[in-house]
Amino acid sequence: GAGVSQSPRYKVAKRGQDVALRCDPISGHVSLFWYQQALGQGPEFLTYFQNEAQLDKSGLPSDRFFAERPEGSVSTLKIQRTQQEDSAVYLCASSLDRARSNQPQHFGDGTRLSIL
Amino acid sequence: TQLLEQSPQFLSIQEGENLTVYCNSSSVFSSLQWYRQEPGEGPVLLVTVVTGGEVKKLKRLTFQFGDARKDSSLHITAAQTGDTGLYLCAGPSGGSNYKLTFGKGTLLTVNP
Repeated sequence: GAGVSQSPRYKVAKRGQDVALRCDPISGHVSLFWYQQALGQGPEFLTYFQNEAQLDKSGLPSDRFFAERPEGSVSTLKIQRTQQEDSAVYLCASSLDRARSNQPQHFGDGTRLSIL
Repeated sequence: TQLLEQSPQFLSIQEGENLTVYCNSSSVFSSLQWYRQEPGEGPVLLVTVVTGGEVKKLKRLTFQFGDARKDSSLHITAAQTGDTGLYLCAGPSGGSNYKLTFGKGTLLTVNP
């Protein structure tokens, strides 16, 4: 497909379980971003990759959150020992070039995570 | 932390009406972006404004960046039902040129 693809679209997990969310960026896009969007809120930055290098993880809320992009393409966001407050939509975005000002970020449709 | 406040939070209007939504900050932004997000989908970029005082038009949508680059507005003329969605403003923050800070958005409903 031409756009950013995220899977699964919906994920329900019990509190304490581990989850893994996948992002397929647009082919050739160097930069990849993860955001968390709680209900009724705007997206909040989690982490940023340039190719396979994770250059910024300042937005990850705790050490239970881990992201990787080992080959500089597909990325996985993993949440360990999930808590109810982790329930949110997780958005992935990619942009063409190295992070320069005003580079448009193309968003996927997100994974809606519900923790019971 | 640079915050973006959007108002109103909710707006419900009839088709054909005009409307303006606002994005304000106490901080200066090098640029601001406007996105529209529909239910179950990711945000889609509408426009980026860079220069203080800049006005950009996209069909029936007019975007303005404040002279001091602390605020922006989006005006929609003759709203259509297809304009329904969450309008988000965002800008680079934290001294980076990639880390976007988003406002909470204005949820617009255009009724037929």
